[in-house]
Amino acid sequence: SYELTQPLSVSVALGQTARITCGGNNIGSKNVHWYQQKPGQAPVLVIYRDSNRPSGIPERFSGSNSGNTATLTISRAQAGDEADYYCQVWDSSTYVVFGGGTKLTVL
Amino acid sequence: EVQLVESGGGLVQPGGSLRLSCAASGFTVSSNYMSWVRQAPGKGLEWVSVIYSGGSTYYADSVKGRFTISRHNSKNTLYLQMNSLRAEDTAVYYCARYMPDSYGGYFDYWGQGTLVTVSS
Repeated sequence: SYELTQPLSVSVALGQTARITCGGNNIGSKNVHWYQQKPGQAPVLVIYRDSNRPSGIPERFSGSNSGNTATLTISRAQAGDEADYYCQVWDSSTYVVFGGGTKLTVL
Repeated sequence: EVQLVESGGGLVQPGGSLRLSCAASGFTVSSNYMSWVRQAPGKGLEWVSVIYSGGSTYYADSVKGRFTISRHNSKNTLYLQMNSLRAEDTAVYYCARYMPDSYGGYFDYWGQGTLVTVSS
């Protein structure tokens, strides 16, 4: 089965750039999607198909995907960006796969 | 405005059954792919099941043979029938609209979730 690996936690200083990685075998050949989940709330789609932002998501959120790593980048990090972030792909054997999630802390 | 509202969660004994509902508004359930995703307390997201607009259904191995996804077209509602429940099924269950793309798909709208607790 296909597995996605995320760091458990990432810290970023207020106003700086945070990068959250999502590792998988040849993930660059897949479409990667990213979700933000704040405590007690449902997940929210922030990036789809590697680098596309849904309506209402700030331009500070961007994504890239190549080789064995996809990356969610959050520029000019704000306190309101503190949340858990999950990557997700589709796999022919297990259908939908989520990464384990990364807790983003804004210092 | 798209809205998904789950209901039906609660406390159930191991081996018991429960049916979750997800009432949709702002779009037509039967014309879309719909899915259930769960999250155990303090854990990550786990995909559970999907139903295609054409009616095909797929399940995670962890629930195959025990859970059934379905929909009621006139009520614009998605369901998840859960049988033979186990302690490890304890989770918040989210319904979500699944948008297919060239290589799989993604979840663009989510409900607020309903908590299922399996315990004696």
